[in-house]
Amino acid sequence: GDSVTQMEGPVTLSEEAFLTINCTYTATGYPSLFWYVQYPGEGLQLLLKATKADDKGSNKGFEATYRKETTSFHLEKGSVQVSDSAVYFCALNRDDKIIFGKGTRLHILP
Amino acid sequence: EAGVVQSPRYKIIEKKQPVAFWCNPISGHNTLYWYLQNLGQGPELLIRYENEEAVDDSQLPKDRFSAERLKGVDSTLKIQPAELGDSAVYLCASSLAGLPTGELFFGEGSRLTVL
Repeated sequence: GDSVTQMEGPVTLSEEAFLTINCTYTATGYPSLFWYVQYPGEGLQLLLKATKADDKGSNKGFEATYRKETTSFHLEKGSVQVSDSAVYFCALNRDDKIIFGKGTRLHILP
Repeated sequence: EAGVVQSPRYKIIEKKQPVAFWCNPISGHNTLYWYLQNLGQGPELLIRYENEEAVDDSQLPKDRFSAERLKGVDSTLKIQPAELGDSAVYLCASSLAGLPTGELFFGEGSRLTVL
């Protein structure tokens, strides 16, 4: 069945470092892809999305490109901030069924 | 605009007791989801409603879990009797049906501890 695999955490970086969180998916066809973020004490919220191959989603300095060839949707940010500390979930949507990865916890040190 | 509201935020019960969680989705969102999130894991779908109809309940353990969405707005998720393994966060989410991107709006969750 459809599934999402993302890199295990926690990931610890210093402020202003470059961030990559890997995500690959298994699905038939071409699902929509998402990154959701869960800040401490808050509910999950959509960070960015891409609905078709080669689309690039972006928000708050984060970017991810839908790569059909490698079935990947890696999350990147050029310069992280302490406020980016959170848990990040990669997800796919097929027929309104949203499937999430296990999440990657990110710690940013000042 | 108000977001998805869930209650209670926290609940501690003893095993074999019943528990219920309530969710009020964003106004106008006719699709409602209940997800289960275990510690260190991603959310897993329990049930999805389109208006009043449960269109996907294949992952709901029907021997002890039940859900309803009367009038296609608020929803209640019940566990009876609760087991130790039910300790988790129960998330409610809503979305606009037919939205091709499938963006979900989540509540803050209800954290259940079963002793």
